[in-house]
Amino acid sequence: TQLLEQSPQFLSIQEGENLTVYCNSSSVFSSLQWYRQEPGEGPVLLVTVVTGGEVKKLKRLTFQFGDARKDSSLHITAAQPGDTGLYLCAGPGGTSYGKLTFGQGTILTVHP
Amino acid sequence: GAVVSQHPSRVICKSGTSVKIECRSLDFQATTMFWYRQFPKQSLMLMATSNEGSKATYEQGVEKDKFLINHASLTLSTLTVTSAHPEDSSFYICSATPRDGSGDEQYFGPGTRLTVT
Repeated sequence: TQLLEQSPQFLSIQEGENLTVYCNSSSVFSSLQWYRQEPGEGPVLLVTVVTGGEVKKLKRLTFQFGDARKDSSLHITAAQPGDTGLYLCAGPGGTSYGKLTFGQGTILTVHP
Repeated sequence: GAVVSQHPSRVICKSGTSVKIECRSLDFQATTMFWYRQFPKQSLMLMATSNEGSKATYEQGVEKDKFLINHASLTLSTLTVTSAHPEDSSFYICSATPRDGSGDEQYFGPGTRLTVT
């Protein structure tokens, strides 16, 4: 079973600060996804990274896939209260088509 | 595109009754749908994988007779919680993988909050 270790589990920061969330594994993944979930709603796909060393930017969010495709990071610049939520990394896992393995999640709280 | 809906969004039922939750892919066909359970401030816990036209595959520790899954078409899967008890209260989320996609991405429904009294 491929496992994804996500850290930190909780992150509480002030508006304007920068932060990084990490997603690590001992296994190689063909791709990794990052999701954001707000309370009472389903996760929303932010990005999929596929190529080792790949960097993708989504406004103030920067996603990186490790060269060996075993890890990924999410960096948020100048965090805003609207960034508050649960961030999840996930990668293909198991034999079923489309089955995902999820990290434990990072709860981010950005205080105004 | 890639919208998944769930109905109902919230449901309150009495202990011992059954509750059905629907999951629909609105603008794509999904050969495979997934059902998750989520506890507060925790990640998603996969319950079962639902394939159109075949029996669902349940994760270890999930009672298949309690959580009945039916995947009647390429756009609809249902989860029925039978003889619900207060410990079944949770947030249930479904997701679907587009039939024509890469197979690596899932699109999630908005979730259903079940409260058993």
